[in-house]
Amino acid sequence: TQLLEQSPQFLSIQEGENLTVYCNSSSVFSSLQWYRQEPGEGPVLLVTVVTGGEVKKLKRLTFQFGDARKDSSLHITAAQPGDTGLYLCAGISSNTGKLIFGQGTTLQVKP
Amino acid sequence: EAGVVQSPRYKIIEKKQPVAFWCNPISGHNTLYWYLQNLGQGPELLIRYENEEAVDDSQLPKDRFSAERLKGVDSTLKIQPAELGDSAVYLCASSLGGTSTDTQYFGPGTRLTVL
Repeated sequence: TQLLEQSPQFLSIQEGENLTVYCNSSSVFSSLQWYRQEPGEGPVLLVTVVTGGEVKKLKRLTFQFGDARKDSSLHITAAQPGDTGLYLCAGISSNTGKLIFGQGTTLQVKP
Repeated sequence: EAGVVQSPRYKIIEKKQPVAFWCNPISGHNTLYWYLQNLGQGPELLIRYENEEAVDDSQLPKDRFSAERLKGVDSTLKIQPAELGDSAVYLCASSLGGTSTDTQYFGPGTRLTVL
């Protein structure tokens, strides 16, 4: 069974601080996605990383895929209250093509 | 363009009662997914449809859960009878195709509370 573990599970920071969320697995994934989910809504795709070592930037968000395609990180620079939400990583299984989600990281950015 | 529509948004029932959730995917999307999301967890796939065919229902508890997508568009997920442990958010998603590179678009979910 392929599992994705996210850390930390909860993060509460002040506006303007930087943060990093980690997504780790012992399994290799063909690609990895990051989603953001707000209360009462479904997850919304932020980015897909495909190549080991790949780095993608989306404004203040930086996503990295590990060289071995087993882990990923999301770094947010100068967090804003609008960044508050549940961040989910999801790996696409190399074997089944299924999307396997981590348990999520709840981020709260205080003004 | 309208997103994935789900109804109801909230449902409260007593245990042993039946319940049904409805999903209307994005127009033109052939693939439809039902996920279960427990509080503080990521979504878990229950069933995937390609048009009207259920191509992956390995995680669907078939003793009490059933789903259908009769005309390859709307879908209904049913639980009968509901148990306390079924309390969760039920998410529907759709994608243009069923490959791993097709982006899945999620609906807002139905929050089920079983008392």
